[in-house]
Amino acid sequence: EVQLVESGGGLVQPGGSLRLSCAASGFTFSSYSMNWVRQAPGKGLEWVSYISSSSSTIYSADSVKGRFTISRDDAKNSLYLQMNSLRGEDTAVYYCVRGGQWLGDAFDIWGRGTMVTVSS
Amino acid sequence: QSALTQPPSASGSPGQSVTISCTGTSSDVGGYNYVSWYQQHPGKAPKLMIYEVSKRPSGVPDRFSGSKSGITASLTVSGLQAEDEADYYCSSYAGSNNFGVIFGGGTKLTVL
Repeated sequence: EVQLVESGGGLVQPGGSLRLSCAASGFTFSSYSMNWVRQAPGKGLEWVSYISSSSSTIYSADSVKGRFTISRDDAKNSLYLQMNSLRGEDTAVYYCVRGGQWLGDAFDIWGRGTMVTVSS
Repeated sequence: QSALTQPPSASGSPGQSVTISCTGTSSDVGGYNYVSWYQQHPGKAPKLMIYEVSKRPSGVPDRFSGSKSGITASLTVSGLQAEDEADYYCSSYAGSNNFGVIFGGGTKLTVL
């Protein structure tokens, strides 16, 4: 079964850091680009960051540039999101999402998400 | 970059058809045929329903169809069923040097 399982969410103070992880299974992880997409409580979806299959290309939304870093470890079938200088507006469910061969490909597999709450 | 514009709500009776619009600009919806639609039930992760404007992933009923004209994409759900009640989001590629991927604000579809 194709599956993505996120972990690492929790409560963090403004200005703090958190590292999210995503464990992939059921498909050849190294062949796919990966993304993080977030959803604030009661709000819509927001694309956060993209990493290509070879890790050679990374894109991030302006709202997180300079603060969040996406990375992957193909040997561990894992995707990561290092989040620094967290703000209240970063509070959201963070989804690990499979892409295709490039950023324009649709997001075909989604994890269940992990909640990040930024509050003092 | 603003989110793509979707109506906040739509509704229809079982068996009817309903169309949800998604309006962008020439820099996203109008500039690329990379529009996708996602269905999200409460408390669940989104599910891909349509990709590349009008293509359906395996397992998605053919009651779901997509189209695009200019800067507006549309999702049509025919033969509405109770399980179609959910939030629907459109998304579009907006250029890797610009805004990456942008989503619509979402449409709550109610089956009356």
